[in-house]
Amino acid sequence: KNQVEQSPQSLIILEGKNCTLQCNYTVSPFSNLRWYKQDTGRGPVSLTIMTFSENTKSNGRYTATLDADTKQSSLHITASQLSDSASYICVVSFNAGNMLTFGGGTRLMVKP
Amino acid sequence: DTGVSQDPRHKITKRGQNVTFRCDPISEHNRLYWYRQTLGQGPEFLTYFQNEAQLEKSRLLSDRFSAERPKGSFSTLEIQRTEQGDSAMYLCASSFIAGGQTQYFGPGTRLLVL
Repeated sequence: KNQVEQSPQSLIILEGKNCTLQCNYTVSPFSNLRWYKQDTGRGPVSLTIMTFSENTKSNGRYTATLDADTKQSSLHITASQLSDSASYICVVSFNAGNMLTFGGGTRLMVKP
Repeated sequence: DTGVSQDPRHKITKRGQNVTFRCDPISEHNRLYWYRQTLGQGPEFLTYFQNEAQLEKSRLLSDRFSAERPKGSFSTLEIQRTEQGDSAMYLCASSFIAGGQTQYFGPGTRLLVL
């Protein structure tokens, strides 16, 4: 069964601090992995996308890593801001990218 | 704003009533997806269309659910005889088949069944 597990489920950090979110998956055949940010009450917005051959991808203060051998990914947020408070969802696609399996998300709260 | 719009944004209905949601994708996108998301969980796939053809349906899509995309542009998702367990956020996403297939999500329709 295709599954995506994320940890931690929730995280509270102080503004300006860094944090790392984890994602483990068992999706096969793997097509690509995305991290989405979802603000409360809104739809998810894509942050990064990585294919099998990519190890790291950055988008501003967000850096995603992928280890296709261990089927693990991480999302590192540098110098967190209050606006980073959101749910971060790891999404793995299969079936040539047509289908997505979503993780349960990590709810991040950045406090001043 | 991703360019995908959904209507209504919120819907409160009584158990047993029918509801219909609309999604307008980004105009040049030929794929349209419907997902359901409950509180604290990631979205769950319901169904997707390529142009007007419905190519795949999840087992979550019971007989009470039906989706259409008659002209390959906007789509509707209808839930008949709603149940309290149908309360969730219903998300629509669209993508372009040759564009890396990144899915762009709408803001969702939050359904509450009383």
